[in-house]
Amino acid sequence: NAGVTQTPKFRILKIGQSMTLQCAQDMNHNYMYWYRQDPGMGLKLIYYSVGAGITDKGEVPNGYNVSRSTTEYFPLRLELAAPSQTSVYFCASSLTHRQPNNSPLHFGNGTRLTVT
Amino acid sequence: GDSVTQMEGPVTLSEEAFLTINCTYTATGYPSLFWYVQYPGEGLQLLLKATKADDKGSNKGFEATYRKETTSFHLEKGSVQVSDSAVYFCALSDYNFNKFYFGSGTKLNVKP
Repeated sequence: NAGVTQTPKFRILKIGQSMTLQCAQDMNHNYMYWYRQDPGMGLKLIYYSVGAGITDKGEVPNGYNVSRSTTEYFPLRLELAAPSQTSVYFCASSLTHRQPNNSPLHFGNGTRLTVT
Repeated sequence: GDSVTQMEGPVTLSEEAFLTINCTYTATGYPSLFWYVQYPGEGLQLLLKATKADDKGSNKGFEATYRKETTSFHLEKGSVQVSDSAVYFCALSDYNFNKFYFGSGTKLNVKP
């Protein structure tokens, strides 16, 4: 059972370059999320999706775009990389349960991105 | 809006010492509460959860009780091991949209 798979694990970008961070889950979860984790900080939500074709902004969406054409995949796009986007990016997924069985997040192992 | 505040680290303990990591929250409605653990180079893993007031979550010797009156969800372990060294995150998920809010994380170092 693979769970949540993220690629690549590491990437170095030059300012102004673009890239796509890949995320796939095989648990048939409807909800998917992108977080960034800056050194010594907690996680900040970038974008999330409640199902295929539906996405919405989180706390820090500027400079990013997402798409959700299928349940399994939720790629994150950086169009014009900036040094402020240097971070570790985590993709996560969860079931759609609401209370009382609110389901936990399942995380990938992260992508470490450096923009210079 | 919803938020989570947890004690700053790092926390350094000797093996077999008692651990407490404080976590308080602000939320509307009735959130679920979680503790996640992150080992070096890995993603976060669920450690334990509680979905309603007075529930106690437990796993691997760790415990936390959902206290609505004090809006707290403190993590405890009676006897820590070197293998417990990691970063611990307190989190809540809101009632309506299954969005998660994380604290800033507390790094635990356990010395032999």
